[in-house]
Amino acid sequence: SQKIEQNSEALNIQEGKTATLTCNYTNYSPAYLQWYRQDPGRGPVFLLLIRENEKEKRKERLKVTFDTTLKQSLFHITASQPADSATYLCALDASYNTDKLIFGTGTRLQVFP
Amino acid sequence: SAVISQKPSRDICQRGTSLTIQCQVDSQVTMMFWYRQQPGQSLTLIATANQGSEATYESGFVIDKFPISRPNLTFSTLTVSNMSPEDSSIYLCSVEWGTGSGEAFFGQGTRLTVV
Repeated sequence: SQKIEQNSEALNIQEGKTATLTCNYTNYSPAYLQWYRQDPGRGPVFLLLIRENEKEKRKERLKVTFDTTLKQSLFHITASQPADSATYLCALDASYNTDKLIFGTGTRLQVFP
Repeated sequence: SAVISQKPSRDICQRGTSLTIQCQVDSQVTMMFWYRQQPGQSLTLIATANQGSEATYESGFVIDKFPISRPNLTFSTLTVSNMSPEDSSIYLCSVEWGTGSGEAFFGQGTRLTVV
């Protein structure tokens, strides 16, 4: 069956360090993979999209990698700040290049001063 | 980008009753999506709502329980019918901005508690 898994445990890191979150998927062949941030009581907010033919994408302090052989994406936040504390979700298109998104389980990140 | 207004933001309902959630988008969009997020869980897609046609439901969700309307390109409603405590969740509507871009915008969600 199709499955998207993220670090199930909360990730606690010190301010200034790099946070690395993992997204693994099985039985999918996505055209792209996305990362979202969700704060308590709010809807998810889009951060980055990386396509199947891209290895890496950057946006300010964020970096995403996409390895279609390993079926894995890594999401990095460099120079992390307490304001980065949130739940981060990865999402894939449900079948090749459709508009439906399937979300991972989410990883809660806590950045301590 | 798209701005999505969803209401109500929260409600407490008696079991056996129904609640209709409204989703208004500030631009015309072809597809709107409804998700459920149970406490501590990720988002689960309920259905895709296209204007002018029946909504397409995901496995485990049926029209009798979650009827959806899509009267125009900027508005949709989701009704949670004959509610039970198991329906207590956050319900979110979403749109994709730009054909094929994949980027999704979400409403702020409706927090539903069934007592």
